[in-house]
Formats: sequence, structure tokens, C-alpha cells
Amino acid sequence: SYVLTQPPSVSVAPGKTARITCGGNNIGSKSVHWYQQKPGQAPVLVIYYDSDRPSGIPERFSGSNSGNTATLTISRVEAGDEADYYCQVWDSSSDHQVFGTGTKVTVL
Amino acid sequence: EVQLVESGGGLVQPGRSLRLSCTASGFTFGDYAMSWVRQAPGKGLEWVGFIRSKAYGGTTEYAASVKGRFTISRDDSKSIAYLQMNSLKTEDTAVYYCTRVSIAVGGGAFDIWGQGTMVTVSS
Repeated sequence: SYVLTQPPSVSVAPGKTARITCGGNNIGSKSVHWYQQKPGQAPVLVIYYDSDRPSGIPERFSGSNSGNTATLTISRVEAGDEADYYCQVWDSSSDHQVFGTGTKVTVL
Repeated sequence: EVQLVESGGGLVQPGRSLRLSCTASGFTFGDYAMSWVRQAPGKGLEWVGFIRSKAYGGTTEYAASVKGRFTISRDDSKSIAYLQMNSLKTEDTAVYYCTRVSIAVGGGAFDIWGQGTMVTVSS
């Protein structure tokens, strides 16, 4: 089965840039979606199809995908960005959806 | 307002069954695939399965961990998706989220989420 690997944690100072990676075999050939989940809340889609932002998501959130790594970038990080972030892809070979292991973003 | 509301969670003994419901509003339910995602306490997100729209046969796919025990169905006339869970195990304990899939065939993003319903499997 397809595996997506994320770093368990990322720490960033307010106003700086956070980069969260999502590694998978030839992930650049797949569409990657990203979710933000704050404590006690349901996940929220923040990036879809590698780099598109749903309405209401700040421009500070951006995404890229190439080779074996997809990246979610949060610019000008704010305290309210502190959350768990998950990547997700559709594995067409198995007809299964796959989530990454998740990354906890801490704002220092 | 686009909304998904889950119901039916609770405490159930191992080996028993439970059915969750997901009531949708604010969009044309039949145009979308619907999926269930769960999250065990303190753990990450796990995809459970999805059901395609009727335009794509209303067929289903399941994670290996639940295949043969869980069944997803839909009633487009009522805008409700169901998750029938049989032969429950303690490891099925989780918050279960209903999600809308952004494309009818099922392989897109989960663009709308419900608030989740807790299922606890314990004797």
C-alpha cells in the first residue's frame, strides 16, 4: 500500500515561514491535498490539487509537489496556525485514499 | 450553508454492530461521492471508505482494516450517507467523520467535514 511520511513536528517563530513535507514514492505524479486540524475540531481542507486554496483560506498557505516530496508552506506564521497538518492522496492503483502520518506545528 | 451532521455514535460491546448516519444539507447530495474517515484517540486520520455517486454506479471502496465488516450506503432522496459497522473491535474506537469528496468518482479531496461522532468499543 502507498505510504505518506511526514515529520512528527515542526516549530516556527511568529512571522516566519513553516514548511511541512510529505514524502511518498513518485508523489509528484499524484494530486496532494492538505488538511489543518486544531484540537477538538474536525479537519479543514487548506490546499487541494497540490496548490489550490479553497475560498476563505489565507494566501499565506501554499503548496507544491514534485518528485518524491510535496510541501505545504505557511508564510508569516501566526499563533492561530498552531495545529496538526495532514497530507492526503488518492492511490489509483488500489482505489484507496491515503493520509500522511501528520505534523504538529508549534508556534514558538 | 453546506453542512454534514453525523449521528449514531456511542458505546458498544466488542462483536456488536452500530450504524452511523450522515445528514447533508446545502448542496446536491447525489452529485458527490461521500466518505468516512476516523481518528482514534490521540492518533492520526485514517480513511475508512467511500461511496461513489449514482452516476458512477454508487460503488464502494474500503480500507483493508474494515473491509468485510463495514458497509457504506447512501439514500440520495434523504441526503443521508450511512456507515454500517459489524463485528466491532476495540481498535475501532475512534471519532468517525463524514466527509464530502470533491468529485463524484471518489478520488478527490475531502472538502466538507462533519463535526464527528465518537464510537467506543468496550466491554
